[in-house]
Amino acid sequence: GQQVMQIPQYQHVQEGEDFTTYCNSSTTLSNIQWYKQRPGGHPVFLIQLVKSGEVKKQKRLTFQFGEAKKNSSLHITATQTTDVGTYFCAGPGGSNYQLIWGAGTKLIIKP
Amino acid sequence: DGGITQSPKYLFRKEGQNVTLSCEQNLNHDAMYWYRQDPGQGLRLIYYSQIVNDFQKGDIAEGYSVSREKKESFPLTVTSAQKNPTAFYLCASTLRGRGVTEAFFGQGTRLTVV
Repeated sequence: GQQVMQIPQYQHVQEGEDFTTYCNSSTTLSNIQWYKQRPGGHPVFLIQLVKSGEVKKQKRLTFQFGEAKKNSSLHITATQTTDVGTYFCAGPGGSNYQLIWGAGTKLIIKP
Repeated sequence: DGGITQSPKYLFRKEGQNVTLSCEQNLNHDAMYWYRQDPGQGLRLIYYSQIVNDFQKGDIAEGYSVSREKKESFPLTVTSAQKNPTAFYLCASTLRGRGVTEAFFGQGTRLTVV
């Protein structure tokens, strides 16, 4: 079945360093969504990308959707403690186009 | 304020018991979902419903049951047949199904078997 692979599983950074997570789908996606889950919390929607090659920015966060609409990335510049959490990508798929979720990348700030 | 309300926040279940987790939304969304999240893991779909009185099994439906008698409500019952129910359960809704609109999540219910 359709899969969305997300790497890395964890990323440890010093505060102020950059962070990147990557998603790769086994099939072409009509859109890709990104969510953030703070420790102990629930996923919160960040953004949806729809167009091939689309790039969107939210302050220090940059989201990209690949030309083939099969991969996507989230890049955070100069991480802050408020960025701590797990970032998930999700895209519609399966027989009923339900959201297929990546496994998430946990951003950890080194003390 | 519109949103999704899950209750209770914490739930303890004895072996062999059925328990029901509540999920209510006032967003007027058509589609609702139940996910299970284990520590350090992603989201796994248990059941989803795109309209009232209709629901479909997700990837890990065994040992769970749902109902969708009202648009606003999508309760999940964890039955005694679910052998390892300890997990974080998340309810979500979308305006429409088919993965084209953002998902809104409730605060979650942490279920522990004692």
